[in-house]
Amino acid sequence: GESVGLHLPTLSVQEGDNSIINCAYSNSASDYFIWYKQESGKGPQFIIDIRSNMDKRQGQRVTVLLNKTVKHLSLQIAATQPGDSAVYFCAETRRRNMLTFGGGTRLMVKP
Amino acid sequence: EAQVTQNPRYLITVTGKKLTVTCSQNMNHEYMSWYRQDPGLGLRQIYYSMNVEVTDKGDVPEGYKVSRKEKRNFPLILESPSPNQTSLYFCASSSGLTGHGEGYTFGSGTRLTVV
Repeated sequence: GESVGLHLPTLSVQEGDNSIINCAYSNSASDYFIWYKQESGKGPQFIIDIRSNMDKRQGQRVTVLLNKTVKHLSLQIAATQPGDSAVYFCAETRRRNMLTFGGGTRLMVKP
Repeated sequence: EAQVTQNPRYLITVTGKKLTVTCSQNMNHEYMSWYRQDPGLGLRQIYYSMNVEVTDKGDVPEGYKVSRKEKRNFPLILESPSPNQTSLYFCASSSGLTGHGEGYTFGSGTRLTVV
């Protein structure tokens, strides 16, 4: 598959444990944040989003937390599974349809 | 199946030889966009289009052109490719109902090498 990044931060977790992936953003004017998952050889896949007027949003096995005070975003994955192994990107929008992506974190799930 | 289709998947070309990477979506999406992905730099937006005949520059538009003559297609054109355009390219589309990123569907990528 395609390499999506050779120098990514890596998070290694045991199968069944919870994972927390962090992202710092720089622009306080960003009003919308998205987490994407990218598996080897594939394009990014939408996971969950959150608007700037919220601080938490839950999906199926995933939770996104937003701390606007410190410009920090996190993605929590409950009961991590081998299929969760991928590169995870946060993205922010500063203006309409202008997505700005973070550098990505590689999640490795150990069986 | 709802999808974004990019072609070709892999391309090796020489400096200065014009090329086009095609992108087509079957979801009747208004918004389409091109990104390049480089190690350590994440995905950076090249160009985007909000509708037919409406295009705008993203973060890294230099050396690229796009066109949006019809809703489903959004080709990326490199008039005179250079080695620094060697990258992994992704096309994406969105219904853009709220103007944000939810529902963005990405293609499978085009690996371009310019020698």
